[in-house]
Amino acid sequence: EPEVTQTPSHQVTQMGQEVILRCVPISNHLYFYWYRQILGQKVEFLVSFYNNEISEKSEIFDDQFSVERPDGSNFTLKIRSTKLEDSAMYFCASSELLRTSNPFFGPGTRLTVL
Amino acid sequence: DAKTTQPPSMDCAEGRAANLPCNHSTISGNEYVYWYRQIHSQGPQYIIHGLKNNETNEMASLIITEDRKSSTLILPHATLRDTAVYYCIVRVGGGSGGSNYKLTFGKGTLLTVNP
Repeated sequence: EPEVTQTPSHQVTQMGQEVILRCVPISNHLYFYWYRQILGQKVEFLVSFYNNEISEKSEIFDDQFSVERPDGSNFTLKIRSTKLEDSAMYFCASSELLRTSNPFFGPGTRLTVL
Repeated sequence: DAKTTQPPSMDCAEGRAANLPCNHSTISGNEYVYWYRQIHSQGPQYIIHGLKNNETNEMASLIITEDRKSSTLILPHATLRDTAVYYCIVRVGGGSGGSNYKLTFGKGTLLTVNP
């Protein structure tokens, strides 16, 4: 069964450093998302992406964040200058059709900012 | 914020049916009801979704009341591996335009399946 994959599974970085989280969505999917979950808290929407541009973003997704689909298979989330409060699980998701199909989530990347 | 209300926790005996309720009294006509679950800190896993008719798949059944203000997710024969947080989410479906297609997660229901 096709699945969303994410790398790395765990990323440790120093405050102020840039990190790139990588995702490979399911191959025929057109819509891509990033969510995050701070330990013990709810899963929060960050951004959705379609046709090489951002469709929607949350208040969390400020200028420190960016997304990119650099090639036909990868979807990345970049955090330019990490803060302690960016420590969280980051989940990538993808779906076929935005309006009616369900997003499939990847296993997540645990980001730890020291 | 999430537009659904779920009990914070429930228990179920292994092998029995687990019935997880969800209230969504402000649901709009073009909003679907989605159920996801999250086992420990893994990525949310899709279970089922529906608009107004009852739905069934290999994982579960979804019963939506006629007025669509509430629904119940049924796991027919719960196993220990079904212990997870279950999220009921309403999400805009087709035809509305705009950008409200994100999933908005609440706190969900922690279902504990006991041996």
